Amino acid sequence: DGGITQSPKYLFRKEGQNVTLSCEQNLNHDAMYWYRQDPGQGLRLIYYSQIVNDFQKGDIAEGYSVSREKKESFPLTVTSAQKNPTAFYLCASSIIQTNTEAFFGQGTRLTVV
Amino acid sequence: AQKITQTQPGMFVQEKEAVTLDCTYDTSDPSYGLFWYKQPSSGEMIFLIYQGSYDQQNATEGRYSLNFQKARKSANLVISASQLGDSAMYFCAMRDVYGNNRLAFGKGNQVVVIP
Repeated sequence: DGGITQSPKYLFRKEGQNVTLSCEQNLNHDAMYWYRQDPGQGLRLIYYSQIVNDFQKGDIAEGYSVSREKKESFPLTVTSAQKNPTAFYLCASSIIQTNTEAFFGQGTRLTVV
Repeated sequence: AQKITQTQPGMFVQEKEAVTLDCTYDTSDPSYGLFWYKQPSSGEMIFLIYQGSYDQQNATEGRYSLNFQKARKSANLVISASQLGDSAMYFCAMRDVYGNNRLAFGKGNQVVVIP
């Protein structure tokens, strides 16, 4: 089955620790995205990548880092510099065209304890 | 910069009634795409419908239709014959070339369908 997979579904982190969220797709999409969702805030773009070994900051990139070493994979690291990391994180992928929708993973709910 | 605005408060709608969800957008790009997604309580994002900026007719997809008013930069979603399973958050989104084809979202509309 083609799709996009995020893991883990739930993640707990102690303050001051870095944590990496996984996102893998087998749709052969060039573009991949990371969004953060907080209640009442909608989806805010953290980082996106349109080609391997290249990525751009979104609207709220501070405290996050990404890599795109393979077309299929776009992991997101939440660093200790992120002041309020508790949120729902969604990964998406798409073809790079204005008329194509993005496909989403199931999301990772990160809680800092 | 892209901007998507969804300002309606949470809505209650009677089962079998129609509901309209408002979305306005802002872009200077003549070529863009507008999307609506549904997010049930499980958190998954479900693509519903697409409207292209050059499309002459309003998009329809089953019980979903899009009321596209280009001059007003408005792309309202209409859900006809609401069902209990339509209870969810609904997000309007846009991508355009000027925005590097990134997908930008509004803050969403909460819909609760009551029997």
